[in-house]
Amino acid sequence: AAGVIQSPRHLIKEKRETATLKCYPIPRHDTVYWYQQGPGQDPQFLISFYEKMQSDKGSIPDRFSAQQFSDYHSELNMSSLELGDSALYFCASSPPDRSGYTFGSGTRLTVV
Amino acid sequence: AQSVAQPEDQVNVAEGNPLTVKCTYSVSGNPYLFWYVQYPNRGLQFLLKYITGDNLVKGSYGFEAEFNKSQTSFHLKKPSALVSDSALYFCAVRDNGTGRRALTFGSGTRLQVQP
Repeated sequence: AAGVIQSPRHLIKEKRETATLKCYPIPRHDTVYWYQQGPGQDPQFLISFYEKMQSDKGSIPDRFSAQQFSDYHSELNMSSLELGDSALYFCASSPPDRSGYTFGSGTRLTVV
Repeated sequence: AQSVAQPEDQVNVAEGNPLTVKCTYSVSGNPYLFWYVQYPNRGLQFLLKYITGDNLVKGSYGFEAEFNKSQTSFHLKKPSALVSDSALYFCAVRDNGTGRRALTFGSGTRLQVQP
């Protein structure tokens, strides 16, 4: 069965650089969610998109932005990276009835 | 607002013994409840969920959880633990009574199964 695909798996950036993370949801899932998991922490909700429109906003910094495209894939854009942005970034998708959430394997971002 | 509490940072159990990982939740409407497991440097793997229906939910790898509305709990259980069950377990909730579609996670419980 198709899963949620995230790319890249690993990313190393320097401070003040920018990064773009990509997420490809399960086909026919209409909502995409982004989470940030710092070392030893629980996943924190950043932002979500429903039918290509932002549907909910969590603790996403102003330096970050995201969008969902016509093919339903989503990108998380991160600018002016800080050391504290080093984390595992998960994308998840859910079907229209919101009865399940499937997570991707995550992108590990390291800011040096 | 929706929230989840996992009161134990770590649970230790001997292989073959039953295990319980505790979770309580707070929502304004009806809860959708989930358990996920995370192995080191890996993604979140779905174990089981409660949406509606029977309070006892059976999931992957022999795990089960019981939804208790009066105690607002959704504890994860397994009759006989395996060493390979050692991992980080997250409880998550979505409040079906609000517009928020995203899951809120608990702080996680590390399960350590000793051989």
